Amino acid sequence: AQSVTQLGSHVSVSEGALVLLRCNYSSSVPPYLFWYVQYPNQGLQLLLKYTTGATLVKGINGFEAEFKKSETSFHLTKPSAHMSDAAEYFCAVSSSGYSSASKIIFGSGTRLSIRP
Amino acid sequence: GAVVSQHPSRVICKSGTSVKIECRSLDFQATTMFWYRQFPKQSLMLMATSNEGSKATYEQGVEKDKFLINHASLTLSTLTVTSAHPEDSSFYICSARGGSAVSGYTFGSGTRLTVV
Repeated sequence: AQSVTQLGSHVSVSEGALVLLRCNYSSSVPPYLFWYVQYPNQGLQLLLKYTTGATLVKGINGFEAEFKKSETSFHLTKPSAHMSDAAEYFCAVSSSGYSSASKIIFGSGTRLSIRP
Repeated sequence: GAVVSQHPSRVICKSGTSVKIECRSLDFQATTMFWYRQFPKQSLMLMATSNEGSKATYEQGVEKDKFLINHASLTLSTLTVTSAHPEDSSFYICSARGGSAVSGYTFGSGTRLTVV
C-alpha cells in the first residue's frame, strides 16, 4: 500500500523567500511521485512529477523537487516566493507506475501563504 | 497538453433528487478515470476507479448504490449522486489517465455540489 505524509498543514513565507514544502512517502514498489497545486474552487494542476531517471525534477512556475529514496522524501522547493504562489499544494504517490491497477493517493495538503 | 473537462462546475439540488456530473477527456483516450471527493480544507479522497467498459471499483466506505459511476466510452465518465442529502454536499473532482506512461493523470476543474 502507498501513503503520503505532508509535514505542516500551513506554511507561511515572505515574498522572495525560499519555499520548502515537505513530503514523505511510503510505497512497497518504486513510486511515481507528484506535486499538484490547487487554487480555491478549482481542480488540480500538475507542478511536476518523478517517474524514473534524474532525481531532481524541475516543474512549472520555478518549482522543483528531489526524489530521495534513502529518506523516502520528495520535498518541493522554490528559490523565491511570489504572491501568486499562495495556494494549496498536494503531494501524491502513484502505485505501480501507470499500470491499469495504479491510482493516485494524496497527502493531506499544505496551504502556502505569502507575506508581502 | 491533455485536457479534462468537468461539468457542471456548480450545482444546487434539492434533497432527495439525483445529480449527474460529467467528466470528459478532450484530446486523449482515458482508459481509466478516477472520482475524488474533497471536503473544505481537506485532501482529495478517492471514491472509485473506473475502466472503460467495466464496472467501477469503489474504495472502502463508499456506497456504490449512492454514487453511480459509468464509464461508457474512452472519453466520458459520469458520476451520479442518487437521492442526494445535505451531507453529500462537497467538491467532486474527476481525473483521467491515458494508456501511455507519458499521459499521466489529468484533473478536471471540479464540481461544487450543494444539496439543500
